[in-house]
Amino acid sequence: GAVVSQHPSWVICKSGTSVKIECRSLDFQATTMFWYRQFPKQSLMLMATSNEGSKATYEQGVEKDKFLINHASLTLSTLTVTSAHPEDSSFYICSAKPRAGGYTFGSGTRLTVV
Amino acid sequence: QKEVEQDPGPLSVPEGAIVSLNCTYSNSAFQYFMWYRQYSRKGPELLMYTYSSGNKEDGRFTAQVDKSSKYISLFIRDSQPSDSATYLCAMSKNRDDKIIFGKGTRLHILP
Repeated sequence: GAVVSQHPSWVICKSGTSVKIECRSLDFQATTMFWYRQFPKQSLMLMATSNEGSKATYEQGVEKDKFLINHASLTLSTLTVTSAHPEDSSFYICSAKPRAGGYTFGSGTRLTVV
Repeated sequence: QKEVEQDPGPLSVPEGAIVSLNCTYSNSAFQYFMWYRQYSRKGPELLMYTYSSGNKEDGRFTAQVDKSSKYISLFIRDSQPSDSATYLCAMSKNRDDKIIFGKGTRLHILP
């Protein structure tokens, strides 16, 4: 089946630094990938839609300058949390859709900003 | 009114029982319906993917969609302790459109 690989699975960083999260579709091409954020015991909140070769589309309330998205190829999208602060600590998950079937999610990245 | 409503639970049932999970939605434009299972600190895992109204069965799982009532269900037969997880319903308007999630229902299967 379709597999989406996300890396790293967890990261701890100091306040003010930037962190990059990678999302790869391993056995299919994805022109569109989605980035979600999930707080404990909450549902997934869509942050942005990543489009290969063009700018990402951000949901209302999401700062595009803080959460930089790059979709440089049909199999790779990256999310960079810039100048991270403790309130950015969360579980970040990407997803992509193969040609047939539903969306496949990565295993998530737990970010802790200290 | 939220687009997708889902009771967060928790829902506790004894092992072997039939589990019924459901969601309601308000937007009649939704056509694609999904159920995901999420274990703690893991990404969601797709269980069922259906289009429009009807039933779909896969092993112990059955998904039902009633578009006239804007109501979807997931049934789990012969429930196992390993089924204990959070179950999220999700839906989208078009095949490649962004998906909207319910809040998720926490399910506990008691041995």
